[in-house]
Amino acid sequence: QSVLTQPPSVSGAPGQRVTISCTGSSSNIGAGYDVHWYQQLPGTAPKLLIYGNSNRPSGVPDRFSGSKSGTSASLAITGLQAEDEADYYCQSYDSSLSAFYVFGTGTKVTVL
Amino acid sequence: EVQLVESGGGLVKPGGSLRLSCAASGFTFSSYSMNWVRQAPGKGLEWVSSISSSSSYIYYADSVKGRFTISRDNAKNSLYLQMNSLRAEDTAVYYCARVEVYDAFDIWGQGTMVTVSS
Repeated sequence: QSVLTQPPSVSGAPGQRVTISCTGSSSNIGAGYDVHWYQQLPGTAPKLLIYGNSNRPSGVPDRFSGSKSGTSASLAITGLQAEDEADYYCQSYDSSLSAFYVFGTGTKVTVL
Repeated sequence: EVQLVESGGGLVKPGGSLRLSCAASGFTFSSYSMNWVRQAPGKGLEWVSSISSSSSYIYYADSVKGRFTISRDNAKNSLYLQMNSLRAEDTAVYYCARVEVYDAFDIWGQGTMVTVSS
């Protein structure tokens, strides 16, 4: 059961900007823990896209950016490309007794 | 090349057991915490278990606590997941993943499929 809530889907035309929200609570994002984002292309393993709220691993295009505020975080994709069509997940740490690492519900990005 | 390769998945009956393995290469395995993450067919990612670099700290999701056991052998650069009392809802692709300094999962294996069905 995910404790981080994301919109099920977002879509945009090539070249447009889309954003994906990730809403948590006072035991995870709101407690100051870092948020990370993953991209999962169809049939493949997840790939780290953003770490530590806003940092990009080597090789990730600067079209991808992350931010965090309060109990929420966001992933933005600017200059949307066909190859960005994938599932995206946020992830954080949770200090409650019933969780440790938690993932978001996932968002399907469709390029129109 | 930094790599994680899972193995051991398969078809098992409800109540049965299975042991997954994850072979690490290309990095100093003994320096990193490791995790298992699963993904049921058509569903999202679910964290399963975590083990620290020296096995001092181990954590489980409530959904597997008491049934699954995570372990590692740093001499063999390997991570394991012993799964007992398997249920239909444990059916998923199981990934092993490395944890880096920010607590992000920076390296993932290709996954191994576990199907629990009679």
